[in-house]
Amino acid sequence: QQQVKQSPQSLIVQKGGISIINCAYENTAFDYFPWYQQFPGKGPALLIAIRPDVSEKKEGRFTISFNKSAKQFSLHIMDSQPGDSATYFCAASRGRTTDSWGKLQFGAGTQVVVTP
Amino acid sequence: NAGVMQNPRHLVRRRGQEARLRCSPMKGHSHVYWYRQLPEEGLKFMVYLQKENIIDESGMPKERFSAEFPKEGPSILRIQQVVRGDSAAYFCASSPRTTSEKLFFGSGTQLSVL
Repeated sequence: QQQVKQSPQSLIVQKGGISIINCAYENTAFDYFPWYQQFPGKGPALLIAIRPDVSEKKEGRFTISFNKSAKQFSLHIMDSQPGDSATYFCAASRGRTTDSWGKLQFGAGTQVVVTP
Repeated sequence: NAGVMQNPRHLVRRRGQEARLRCSPMKGHSHVYWYRQLPEEGLKFMVYLQKENIIDESGMPKERFSAEFPKEGPSILRIQQVVRGDSAAYFCASSPRTTSEKLFFGSGTQLSVL
């Protein structure tokens, strides 16, 4: 079963706009929530990650918002640029268990297209 | 420092043949993960290995699939008697240590089964 549900499936945003991608999870044992960016023909690359002890984390134009009670987290891409056009995946794992953090449950992905 | 190297990039096999996918982790990394990605889907965990040990193979099909990470050489994901449903992109990721929380992915091997 899909343990991490991601929406929307695709997103078109104008240059300078905000891209918002949402994820929801079921397993309350998850405590590590990374976002990955993937360009065509390439492997995913870690973008930003958060732990449930904080509600928000910002790195440059990328922000994760985390709502533990709702079991939801989201990625906001501010001032979106054409170079941000890629597929974005949310993921979750039991990071505090040493051997389990890399066993990631991925969402299905969101294809983001930023128009000039 | 080269990234995670996977080869071949593309592999075509006929039903019933064997597929061998190779992954050389980043220098100094002793932890390797294999993931499979089907079209329009996210990556699915298959197996986690450390040098000479399989740590977690809970995501790997019980039959036809095997993985190894020998003391010397790359990690190998082996699929015997391939079927059309095995067609997918297979990604390898490595990490330097158990608590790194940063996976470095290779560019993947696209397996096509005719």
